[in-house]
Amino acid sequence: NAGVTQTPKFRILKIGQSMTLQCTQDMNHNYMYWYRQDPGMGLKLIYYSVGAGITDKGEVPNGYNVSRSTTEDFPLRLELAAPSQTSVYFCASTRGTLPRNTEAFFGQGTRLTVV
Amino acid sequence: TQLLEQSPQFLSIQEGENLTVYCNSSSVFSSLQWYRQEPGEGPVLLVTVVTGGEVKKLKRLTFQFGDARKDSSLHITAAQPGDTGLYLCAQRGQMEYGNKLVFGAGTILRVKS
Repeated sequence: NAGVTQTPKFRILKIGQSMTLQCTQDMNHNYMYWYRQDPGMGLKLIYYSVGAGITDKGEVPNGYNVSRSTTEDFPLRLELAAPSQTSVYFCASTRGTLPRNTEAFFGQGTRLTVV
Repeated sequence: TQLLEQSPQFLSIQEGENLTVYCNSSSVFSSLQWYRQEPGEGPVLLVTVVTGGEVKKLKRLTFQFGDARKDSSLHITAAQPGDTGLYLCAQRGQMEYGNKLVFGAGTILRVKS
C-alpha cells in the first residue's frame, strides 16, 4: 500500500520562485490536509479539503494556494517563495470525521529551503 | 492562537524512568488523538480517546482523557530509548473549527541509555 505520497522530498528555491508540492493518496480518503512544521515544533495547518472541489484555509494560509480536482490529489502551490516559507511540509489524509475514521495518514514530508 | 497546549515542551530522562506529558484546551474536545513522530518521518497515530474519563493502554503507554474532555495525558512507564520522539496531541470536531484537524506544539522526549 502506497498510502500518502509526497514529491519532491527535498527542494531549494530562490526568493520569488514558484513551485508546487505534490500529494496523492490511494486510500479513497475524503479529507486531505497540508501542514508545515518548523524545527522542533508541532504542525500548523495551512489548507485542508473535505472532498474534490472543496478547500478551506487553515491556521497559516498566507503565501499558499491549493486545489482539489480529484479525490486522490491535493497539490500545494507556493507562488512567490520567501525565506519564511523554509520548513518541512506534510500532507495528510483521513477517511472522515467520526472518531473511528479520523486516523491521519501522513506522507514522508517535503523539506523546502528558500534562499 | 494555539488551541492545544502541550507540556512540557522538552523532556530528557534516563532509561527506566517514568514520565507524563499533558495536552490541555480551554474548549471541550469531541475526541482527541496522540501521535508520535520520529526524526525525518511523518507522525503516526498512537491512540484516539473519545469518552470523558477514558483510559487506554498501549504496552507501556497509558492515555487518559479528562472527565470534562478538556485535557489528556500520556504516561510512559520505564521509558526506553526507542520512545524518543516528538509526541503530538491533535483534535477535531469543535463546531467553530469545523473539519480542521489541529495539532499542539508537541513534547520532545529524549530517553538516554
